[in-house]
Amino acid sequence: ETGVTQSPTHLIKTRGQQVTLRCSSQSGHNTVSWYQQALGQGPQFIFQYYREEENGRGNFPPRFSGLQFPNYSSELNVNALELDDSALYLCASSLDQAGDTEAFFGQGTRLTVV
Amino acid sequence: DAKTTQPPSMDCAEGRAANLPCNHSTISGNEYVYWYRQIHSQGPQYIIHGLKNNETNEMASLIITEDRKSSTLILPHATLRDTAVYYCIVRVNYGGATNKLIFGTGTLLAVQP
Repeated sequence: ETGVTQSPTHLIKTRGQQVTLRCSSQSGHNTVSWYQQALGQGPQFIFQYYREEENGRGNFPPRFSGLQFPNYSSELNVNALELDDSALYLCASSLDQAGDTEAFFGQGTRLTVV
Repeated sequence: DAKTTQPPSMDCAEGRAANLPCNHSTISGNEYVYWYRQIHSQGPQYIIHGLKNNETNEMASLIITEDRKSSTLILPHATLRDTAVYYCIVRVNYGGATNKLIFGTGTLLAVQP
């Protein structure tokens, strides 16, 4: 158990719809990162939030957006869903953004777009 | 792109040491080497990380070469539950403003009974 919880665990959406995924970070952690993992691939970095501000983004279009709240929990929003958005979405929390701080992952949300 | 190279798969006998190699020849001086593993359909699990010195914890040992261009993760007594994909990651640090884990395709370790 890492203390990082994600909801829901599974989700099925229709192409064109919007989805919100949620992540509760480990107690005391102020940094949350989101990753997308397609089947058979390693996780790909989407973006990172540090103290409620986005401070880094991977190669994902603007329809992927996020929020971090004062309690450091976070949301990932995806608009205009496409079939290729089907993946395992992972969030990871860490104590801060320093390079020597381990990040702990939740169990992920499995999103299926039909 | 991932800054690491790993063999796609390895086998290990139960009870024996598993030695997983990783090449990271372009690593910069302030970049850490991290190891995670992922059991099917679960979130990645943190194992260990290091900068220059060898590191050991309750799960594994990390041996980093003196030139830092490669490292080896050692699971001293592999069990069937250690069967997983193991990711070697160079943690990129953009001056403290952002750091992210760049995953490659990892090594599928199969522990055989």
